[in-house]
Amino acid sequence: EAQVTQNPRYLITVTGKKLTVTCSQNMNHEYMSWYRQDPGLGLRQIYYSMNVEVTDKGDVPEGYKVSRKEKRNFPLILESPSPNQTSLYFCASSLTDRQETQYFGPGTRLLVL
Amino acid sequence: QKEVEQDPGPLSVPEGAIVSLNCTYSNSAFQYFMWYRQYSRKGPELLMYTYSSGNKEDGRFTAQVDKSSKYISLFIRDSQPSDSATYLCAMSAGNMLTFGGGTRLMVKP
Repeated sequence: EAQVTQNPRYLITVTGKKLTVTCSQNMNHEYMSWYRQDPGLGLRQIYYSMNVEVTDKGDVPEGYKVSRKEKRNFPLILESPSPNQTSLYFCASSLTDRQETQYFGPGTRLLVL
Repeated sequence: QKEVEQDPGPLSVPEGAIVSLNCTYSNSAFQYFMWYRQYSRKGPELLMYTYSSGNKEDGRFTAQVDKSSKYISLFIRDSQPSDSATYLCAMSAGNMLTFGGGTRLMVKP
């Protein structure tokens, strides 16, 4: 089954404790991206990657890091999480950078205390 | 002002009604226009996409793009309770996708 998976689905952590949210897709897609979704603000793009070893900032990259060492994986790293990073995070992938057929993962709900 | 504006709703309609969902935008460089549906506690799923201006129909769903007015619409015919969800418009001018805030739709039996 074609899908984007994320882990963990739910995470509660404390300020400053480094964490990684994994994302994996099995569709051989070139393009992957991370979004956060907040009430009233909608979905905002954090980082995106057009291919292995190619990443770029989205609208709200501050406080986040990403890496793309393999085509299928695109982890999101929070080196020193803060309460304002409490949010619902989605990973997505698409065949091309036009993103007209973008598939989203199920989401990771993060609470930073 | 946000780049993409969307009325948050909620929009409540009876089953069988025609639903009209809309977004306005300010960036004339947007060329790809999408509509996503998001059920509670789920990731968005792509419903339709269109390139540039025009109409596109898929079953009960019709997407319209009017680039001259910077206005896009999604029409749902014969709405069903299973259509109850949040609908997100999204637009792309290149590598990045910009979303509207979403409209929550409730279809009552």
